[in-house]
Amino acid sequence: AQKVTQAQTEISVVEKEDVTLDCVYETRDTTYYLFWYKQPPSGELVFLIRRNSFDEQNEISGRYSWNFQKSTSSFNFTITASQVVDSAVYFCALSVWSGGGADGLTFGKGTHLIIQP
Amino acid sequence: GAVVSQHPSWVICKSGTSVKIECRSLDFQATTMFWYRQFPKQSLMLMATSNEGSKATYEQGVEKDKFLINHASLTLSTLTVTSAHPEDSSFYICSARDRAGEKDEQFFGPGTRLTVL
Repeated sequence: AQKVTQAQTEISVVEKEDVTLDCVYETRDTTYYLFWYKQPPSGELVFLIRRNSFDEQNEISGRYSWNFQKSTSSFNFTITASQVVDSAVYFCALSVWSGGGADGLTFGKGTHLIIQP
Repeated sequence: GAVVSQHPSWVICKSGTSVKIECRSLDFQATTMFWYRQFPKQSLMLMATSNEGSKATYEQGVEKDKFLINHASLTLSTLTVTSAHPEDSSFYICSARDRAGEKDEQFFGPGTRLTVL
């Protein structure tokens, strides 16, 4: 069975501060995908990134960056120079490869990020 | 990018009635779709995997006779909540898997908010 842990239930920072959202995962499978999604109050999930288990390169996309470390089973997400529009619930998720393709996602409990002006 | 729609976007029904939610992949064929449920201020939980032309696979604890899934075509999966009760009130989200060519990606629909009175 898979498990995703987001220990931070809620984070509140002032605008322009950097913030890191933690994600730790558990799986016995060697082939898997890791994801981050943003969920604004509307409820619709916004895809941010997908990483497969064989690609440990860190990634940067504008103000967003991700740090994938298999040694610690972590896939942390950093927002640099946060903005009020970044306020949302962020989910980390895991999907394992079962031969026929990637399975459904196992989500963490989410981190509610509040950016104060 | 690929688009997945859900209909209706919200529904209010009386206790004891059945409600059908549709999930459509608009610009790709999806042999596999997934159904998730999200209670207020909680995470998304995978309910079932829907495969075109075969029976759905339900996650542990999900009643298959209550949540009927039909994946009759490569672009449509339906979830019917039978004899709905207030505790079934939730946000239901589907995702569709695109495996055309070398791809293996999942795209989420916008969700359906169900309120049972």
